[in-house]
Formats: sequence, structure tokens, C-alpha cells
Amino acid sequence: DAKTTQPPSMDCAEGRAANLPCNHSTISGNEYVYWYRQIHSQGPQYIIHGLKNNETNEMASLIITEDRKSSTLILPHATLRDTAVYYCIVRPNTGNQFYFGTGTSLTVIP
Amino acid sequence: EAGVAQSPRYKIIEKRQSVAFWCNPISGHATLYWYQQILGQGPKLLIQFQNNGVVDDSQLPKDRFSAERLKGVDSTLKIQPAKLEDSAVYLCASSLELGQPQHFGDGTRLSIL
Repeated sequence: DAKTTQPPSMDCAEGRAANLPCNHSTISGNEYVYWYRQIHSQGPQYIIHGLKNNETNEMASLIITEDRKSSTLILPHATLRDTAVYYCIVRPNTGNQFYFGTGTSLTVIP
Repeated sequence: EAGVAQSPRYKIIEKRQSVAFWCNPISGHATLYWYQQILGQGPKLLIQFQNNGVVDDSQLPKDRFSAERLKGVDSTLKIQPAKLEDSAVYLCASSLELGQPQHFGDGTRLSIL
């Protein structure tokens, strides 16, 4: 039931920006875009979320297109510790169902 | 702030046996979730509690799985009897309220022989 499409895998050089795309072409007006990541053998970790505007926190930036049909998670200076599976999720603001899909496996290369 | 605590970290049982997992959410978090994550897949929601009441258990296989959250704090998830296809990581998460970001524990890895 995942409402998002992500590339299965990506590589990024250490110290460079990692740009992870997500397509959510059927997103509704009241649905938020959430990003989580899961490092091996750990539970998913919340990164960031947004509705319409671009968002930034200490971990990452979230860029949402004007039509809201896609978004990009940006890790500005990737480190080896950022190697993980990244999940893009859409969720209604009145509900709490999270459909994780299979995510993007990001490998940061030294 | 202490995170979501889960135990045990690993469990190995034979099929048809019973097993229980325990979760202690972040203090003050009203909403608690149990997820099942099969190898190579994303987590799948099994059941969601708001305080000690069930909000959504539509994905819970109720013939063998049960969960409770007595007093609206700790929660246990039980499988009885276990099947081979129940081999997975069982994740617990909590959020301050419905609609808030969820915070996950590191899960219990269950292997069925």
C-alpha cells in the first residue's frame, strides 16, 4: 500500500551531498511527507517531515516540489554513518498509518 | 530522554511454541505501535494503541497474535502458536500523540526453527 516510489539503491562519496529522490504523484492535500532511515540492526530513525514548504533541521533538508508530486531529502555532507535504508512516507495529518515500502539503500563511500 | 526500550533483543523458538515481546515507550507518549519487519521489507504496522485503547489492529493476525497495553504505558505482543513465516524483527514505536513523529526501539529479532 506504499504511496511512494524510491530508487532501490544509491551511492554517495563521503563529504558530498546526498540527494535522495521520492515520487509521490498521488499525494493528497492533507498528506505529509515523512522521511525515516534505518541503520543496520537498528529501528527506524525519524529524520524530517513537511507538508508544502521546504524544511531543514540539524540532520537534513527536505525539498518538496510546488505540485507536491515529488520530494528530495538532502544530507548536506554525507558521512559513513549515514549509510542506511532511507524511507519516504506519505501520511494524512488526521491518521497515523505509515506505509514504509522498501526504501532506498544509501551507501556512503570513503 | 530515554528512547523506546524493547526486550528481549533476540529470541529463537520452535514452530508452534509461544513467545512474548515487551515494550516500554518514551515517557509521556500516549500512542504506541507494534510493527513487523520481514527481512528485505519495510516495517508493517500490526497494531496501534492510544493510551490503553486499540486504535487500529486491522493488520494483526488475531488468530495467533495478541497485544495489550495495560495502564497505558508498557505493552506486550504475544504470538501463540508461532509459524515459520513469523520470523521477523518486531519493532515497537511511540509518539507523543496521534499525528506526531514516531520513535522506534531497536526491535526483537525472532527466529522460528
